[in-house]
Amino acid sequence: QSVLTQPPSASGTPGQRVTISCSGSSSSIGSNTVSWYQRLPGTAPKLLIYSNNQRPSGVPDRLSGSKSGTSASLAISGLQSEDEADYYCAAWDDRLNGWVFGGGTKLTVL
Amino acid sequence: EVQLVQSGAEVKKPGESLKISCKGSGYSFNTYFIVWVRQMPGKGLEWMGIIYPYDSDTRYSPSFQGQVAISVDKSISTAYLQWSSLKASDSAVYYCLRRSDGGYYFDYWGQGTQVTVAS
Repeated sequence: QSVLTQPPSASGTPGQRVTISCSGSSSSIGSNTVSWYQRLPGTAPKLLIYSNNQRPSGVPDRLSGSKSGTSASLAISGLQSEDEADYYCAAWDDRLNGWVFGGGTKLTVL
Repeated sequence: EVQLVQSGAEVKKPGESLKISCKGSGYSFNTYFIVWVRQMPGKGLEWMGIIYPYDSDTRYSPSFQGQVAISVDKSISTAYLQWSSLKASDSAVYYCLRRSDGGYYFDYWGQGTQVTVAS
């Protein structure tokens, strides 16, 4: 069981907005920033969001991140077929003194 | 272009040793932390440990302390993850990640190395 909790799956139709949640604890998300990663089939995972809501260059602004308390969310608007991938959240955990990850959410574009 | 390129898939028997690699390129390898994570079949990602190539300072997750060894060869910009005696439960995909400069996130990932341990 992963330390950060994500829904195992999510889906949407092209053009829709989809949100993926990530729930942690006071020692992880509650005290530290969250990052999000995308793993497309057969490729290395890619950084999408860091410091809760910052996008690296090259990541489209239809992807956004937010955090409130001990939970975080990744929102993808204007859903496209190329968004079909696995998504993971991560954060530092002060109690464990290490990084913790979510179990991953498989996003399907219907 | 920053890249982390990992060694290929491995199939081993229980009790055998193994060393997998992660070669960095396109950046100053010595000055960015490298992290290793494990993903067991159908499971999430688990942090295993971290190494600073400049001085080889290494720290392990308590779950992996004594189970694996992380090392680095600065001369060839390569980090390693090593087992002295594999178990079936070590079957997983292993990723190396570059920790961002000054942040607690990972800006580049390797493509992953599949390790299968079966008799």
